[in-house]
Amino acid sequence: QKEVEQNSGPLSVPEGAIASLNCTYSDRGSQSFFWYRQYSGKSPELIMSIYSNGDKEDGRFTAQLNKASQYVSLLIRDSQPSDSATYLCASSPNDYKLSFGAGTTVTVRA
Amino acid sequence: DVKVTQSSRYLVKRTGEKVFLECVQDMDHENMFWYRQDPGLGLRLIYFSYDVKMKEKGDIPEGYSVSREKKERFSLILESASTNQTSMYLCASSLKGGFGDTQYFGPGTRLTVL
Repeated sequence: QKEVEQNSGPLSVPEGAIASLNCTYSDRGSQSFFWYRQYSGKSPELIMSIYSNGDKEDGRFTAQLNKASQYVSLLIRDSQPSDSATYLCASSPNDYKLSFGAGTTVTVRA
Repeated sequence: DVKVTQSSRYLVKRTGEKVFLECVQDMDHENMFWYRQDPGLGLRLIYFSYDVKMKEKGDIPEGYSVSREKKERFSLILESASTNQTSMYLCASSLKGGFGDTQYFGPGTRLTVL
């Protein structure tokens, strides 16, 4: 079993809609969780980190964490064409390391 | 701003060649990482280093070695390149160990082994 699993996608949403991305992780000891965005041909860039159960909002992005269910999600509100990218979920199962999911590709239709 | 640079954006090598990929960070980060990224497999950790001259194997170290002689520089070495090492290689750095440290990525090196 992979340490981090993401809904495989691709996900296509109309402009202005909400994009919902899901991620589960296997290591109950994981304490930190991250969402990275990766544009085609570019390297990943951090958009959100979350460490506590509940919601964390940053602009149009909301990350949600449920440690009991080992579940992390990312909501993108008012999706824009510039949000079209691959989104990588990552967990920190121990010091130093991050485990990444395979990514979910989002396309926002104008 | 954190800056992580990699020596080449694109590299083409022949089977059996020794290949050096270099990564430099300018933020005095303790930790540095090498990943490879392949379609459908995501990012997989090859090696990481938490201090000068210290290194630890990641999930897929076979066929690779690393060197960290200076804090800002972390090199990935393919001793004898093979076609299955054709991939995107990404370097990253983070400030210190412990939960919650953000990793910052370099632009990547797309390596093709013929």
